[in-house]
Amino acid sequence: EVVLTQSPDFQSVTPKERVTITCRASQGIGSSLHWYQQKPGQSPKLLIKYGSQSFSGVPSRFSGSGSGTDFTLTINGLEPEDAATYYCHQTGSLPLTFGGGTKVEIK
Amino acid sequence: EVQLLESGGRLVRPGGSLTLSCAASGFTFRSYAMSWVRQPPGKGLEWVSAISDSGTSTQSADSVKGRFTISRDNSKNTLYLHMNSLRVEDTAVYYCAKADTFILSTLVDVWGKGTTVIVSS
Repeated sequence: EVVLTQSPDFQSVTPKERVTITCRASQGIGSSLHWYQQKPGQSPKLLIKYGSQSFSGVPSRFSGSGSGTDFTLTINGLEPEDAATYYCHQTGSLPLTFGGGTKVEIK
Repeated sequence: EVQLLESGGRLVRPGGSLTLSCAASGFTFRSYAMSWVRQPPGKGLEWVSAISDSGTSTQSADSVKGRFTISRDNSKNTLYLHMNSLRVEDTAVYYCAKADTFILSTLVDVWGKGTTVIVSS
């Protein structure tokens, strides 16, 4: 099973700051890594697919990079509505797995 | 607009059974794989099961293998999760999710709002 380790677990950030979340896979998964945003009381929403491809309708301040075992989600210029928990998710091998999540709080 | 509406969640005793349903609309249901993902209270996401577009291929997490069965009825645009031998640790919000292709081991791009299953005596 591919274990995804996210860091940090929690981040408190001032609006307009840059946020960087990392996701490390226990084995290589190519570019089969995706990022979701989940706001309190809501279902997750897809932000980035296959490492760096933005999903339709996602603001341009969200971007992703990486391949193999190391991946990064970046939010350039945090907005108040970006307060959420962010999850990475791999589809490179079964069973499909998720990272533990990174909670982003707005200061 | 793609819509996924889960139903069937309720309080059930340990060892009991339950079937969840997910009614899909706004896309060609028979052309896409589908998945169930769950989230225990206050915890992260866990993939549960996935099924191919035709329903002929399925995969499940080890934690539910032998107890949960995923199925679909393409004539009714409905996805199911049949849950047996329920345990306290199966307590979670269960989300139905649409894959982005017909392949079951691919990413999901749209999620339902979820249905809550509570397993407790």
